[in-house]
Amino acid sequence: DVKVTQSSRYLVKRTGEKVFLECVQDMDHENMFWYRQDPGLGLRLIYFSYDVKMKEKGDIPEGYSVSREKKERFSLILESASTNQTSMYLCASSFVWGSTYEQYFGPGTRLTVT
Amino acid sequence: SQELEQSPQSLIVQEGKNLTINCTSSKTLYGLYWYKQKYGEGLIFLMMLQKGGEEKSHEKITAKLDEKKQQSSLHITASQPSHAGIYLCGAESGYNFNKFYFGSGTKLNVKP
Repeated sequence: DVKVTQSSRYLVKRTGEKVFLECVQDMDHENMFWYRQDPGLGLRLIYFSYDVKMKEKGDIPEGYSVSREKKERFSLILESASTNQTSMYLCASSFVWGSTYEQYFGPGTRLTVT
Repeated sequence: SQELEQSPQSLIVQEGKNLTINCTSSKTLYGLYWYKQKYGEGLIFLMMLQKGGEEKSHEKITAKLDEKKQQSSLHITASQPSHAGIYLCGAESGYNFNKFYFGSGTKLNVKP
């Protein structure tokens, strides 16, 4: 079974702190994604990566950066956390196979910024 | 950008009842994915539809993609408490297959 793990299920940080969210997948997937999920807004794509050291901005990249130094690991960085970044963060990965792009999701990290 | 609108936003049904969730796209769908999310957890893939008119079933859940490929429905027959959760539809961006868009989700509660 594909496994996508995230470093923390729950995280509480203070405003202005630098925050790292880690995601690891064990299926050699090329694509990895970071989403945030907020009530009434659904899932919104922050960044995605289609290869090591390659990244593209999603719909809401402001205030975030990412790092992908190894194929299995995709990190989301909040340079200076703010209260409006309190959210559920979901990581996903997918492989490029034919014309399907089924994504596998991690369990999520619920981040609270106080 | 592609937009996916789901309806209803929330649903409460009595156990044993049938229900339908709809997902409407503002653009032609190249691939439509249905996911289920248990409260506070990640998403679980249910099924994927690509061809107009396609229909797939898994246990008591059936998903259809209309002929014009702009709307999909998810139908649950004889609902059970285990069906409770948030159902989300997702779609590939037609011009960038690495990007995905999701609907805002339908929250389903099944009363025993």
